Amino acid sequence: EAGVTQFPSHSVIEKGQTVTLRCDPISGHDNLYWYRRVMGKEIKFLLHFVKESKQDESGMPNNRFLAERTGGTYSTLKVQPAELEDSGVYFCASSPRTSGRGDEQFFGPGTRLTVL
Amino acid sequence: AQKVTQAQTEISVVEKEDVTLDCVYETRDTTYYLFWYKQPPSGELVFLIRRNSFDEQNEISGRYSWNFQKSTSSFNFTITASQVVDSAVYFCALSEEKAAGNKLTFGGGTRVLVKP
Repeated sequence: EAGVTQFPSHSVIEKGQTVTLRCDPISGHDNLYWYRRVMGKEIKFLLHFVKESKQDESGMPNNRFLAERTGGTYSTLKVQPAELEDSGVYFCASSPRTSGRGDEQFFGPGTRLTVL
Repeated sequence: AQKVTQAQTEISVVEKEDVTLDCVYETRDTTYYLFWYKQPPSGELVFLIRRNSFDEQNEISGRYSWNFQKSTSSFNFTITASQVVDSAVYFCALSEEKAAGNKLTFGGGTRVLVKP
């Protein structure tokens, strides 16, 4: 079974440009999460999809970030326009849809974003 | 609000030594879940263990063991007889029952370097 995949693995862009990150969760996982780690700090939650619906987007830093999950499969995270402080590693995770909480989340390798 | 603190940023040991990683958490929820993840050089976060707040029984899995103490809000992780392959960044994380979705709150991570 394939794990969570993310594309690209590394992106270097100029300030003001647009970047789109993609995440393919494990097949059949309804829950999809985005996290990011900036400047060696804690990994912080960005948002959570259940299928195609946004369950919680309380961690999105501002309206320059737009996440979508059309069809409830893969997800994209667009940053437009990118700023220097957006540099960091963006992780995607997925988990099956279960009735209980505390489910293990399966993480991808992350996309390292560098904004110059 | 929930918080996870990993006071040790980096630990360096010689192979076969034991190493203990500290994790202290804060939450107002009575039901919560604690996790440890390992991030090897390849980048992805690998799930190691999950504990719910009602299960204080310590756990051992091979060379790994975990000590959960609600009285001190700690969930420490010990690697016995460390090996070079244990070199990685280790993250402790918390998920609250009452929080929307199942988002994880991470500590800052502890980098473990095992020297041969």
